[in-house]
Amino acid sequence: AQSVSQHNHHVILSEAASLELGCNYSYGGTVNLFWYVQYPGQHLQLLLKYFSGDPLVKGIKGFEAEFIKSKFSFNLRKPSVQWSDTAEYFCAVIRHNNDMRFGAGTRLTVKP
Amino acid sequence: NAGVTQTPKFRVLKTGQSMTLLCAQDMNHEYMYWYRQDPGMGLRLIHYSVGEGTTAKGEVPDGYNVSRLKKQNFLLGLESAAPSQTSVYFCASSYGGINQPQHFGDGTRLSIL
Repeated sequence: AQSVSQHNHHVILSEAASLELGCNYSYGGTVNLFWYVQYPGQHLQLLLKYFSGDPLVKGIKGFEAEFIKSKFSFNLRKPSVQWSDTAEYFCAVIRHNNDMRFGAGTRLTVKP
Repeated sequence: NAGVTQTPKFRVLKTGQSMTLLCAQDMNHEYMYWYRQDPGMGLRLIHYSVGEGTTAKGEVPDGYNVSRLKKQNFLLGLESAAPSQTSVYFCASSYGGINQPQHFGDGTRLSIL
């Protein structure tokens, strides 16, 4: 069973549409959460991370994510996407024992 | 500042051949990682290293060996390549623990026939 689930494999949006990509994990206890992005032809880059504190975290390029502990979720959002946001997005979870797992990724295509 | 550099970028092997993938980082990071990326499965951690001379198993270590003789280099070896090892391999490094942001290389696309 997938330890980190990203519900959408491929999302297609028009520019200016709002984005929400789902990420759920199946671990209890303390976790650290990440979203990474891979633009076409580039390597993975960190988008944002959550360790503790305010469950709403803001990252680069207008992205944000909300940690909802009761739902084991860490969904990524952006109010208005741009063509340049076309990329593959990966959620990652690290447990206390340094066990790091990535989701399968969500490919986002933004139509100009 | 090159960051994380992987060589080679592409390679085709025959079943049973051996090869070594090289990862080099110039950020003085303690931690280094090797992942494989397969369609529909995201990245899976093969092995990692918490410092020079140390290595540890990740989620999918079987069929691979690693070495960290120098702090800046992390080598991934396939002793006897199998078609199931056809994948894109990514190296990463981080300053501090595994829960710190990781810097990734551009990947190595490996095909085993």
